[in-house]
Amino acid sequence: EAGVTQFPSHSVIEKGQTVTLRCDPISGHDNLYWYRRVMGKEIKFLLHFVKESKQDESGMPNNRFLAERTGGTYSTLKVQPAELEDSGVYFCASSPHTGTSGSHTQYFGPGTRLTVL
Amino acid sequence: AQTVTQSQPEMSVQEAETVTLSCTYDTSENNYYLFWYKQPPSRQMILVIRQEAYKQQNATENRFSVNFQKAAKSFSLKISDSQLGDTAMYFCAFMKPSRSKLIFGQGTTLQVKP
Repeated sequence: EAGVTQFPSHSVIEKGQTVTLRCDPISGHDNLYWYRRVMGKEIKFLLHFVKESKQDESGMPNNRFLAERTGGTYSTLKVQPAELEDSGVYFCASSPHTGTSGSHTQYFGPGTRLTVL
Repeated sequence: AQTVTQSQPEMSVQEAETVTLSCTYDTSENNYYLFWYKQPPSRQMILVIRQEAYKQQNATENRFSVNFQKAAKSFSLKISDSQLGDTAMYFCAFMKPSRSKLIFGQGTTLQVKP
């Protein structure tokens, strides 16, 4: 079974540019999460999808961040325009349908390291 | 709001020895989940062990075990017979089942020395 995949693994952009990160969850997982780790700080929650619906987006920093999950499969996280403080590692995670065995365990992707210059 | 604290930024242990990583948390909830994740260098984060708060028995997974002290809000991870492959950053995390999001500690970098 393929794990959670993320693309790209690294991205270096200039301040003011746009970047789109992609996450492919484990097949069949309804829940998809985005997290971010800024250098030297803890990993912080950004948002949670259940299928294609945003269940919780309380961690999104501001309206420069836009997340989508078309058709309830893969998800994208777009940052527009990027600022210096957006640099960090963006993690995606997925978990099975709530109520099923193991639904409280989140499986993480390798992350996308974003550097804004 | 829930918080998770890992007070040891870095630790080291000799191969084959035992090491304990500390984690404390703050919550007013009675039912929740606690996790330890590990992230080896340049690799993705994987689950090490999880504990349901309503279970009094400490979770174990092979060489990994936890000491869950609910009243003290403490959730330490013990690694027995440490191996070089255990070198990684370890994150403690908390989750309320109704909210699903994980709340992480700052992480502890563990170096296993030969």
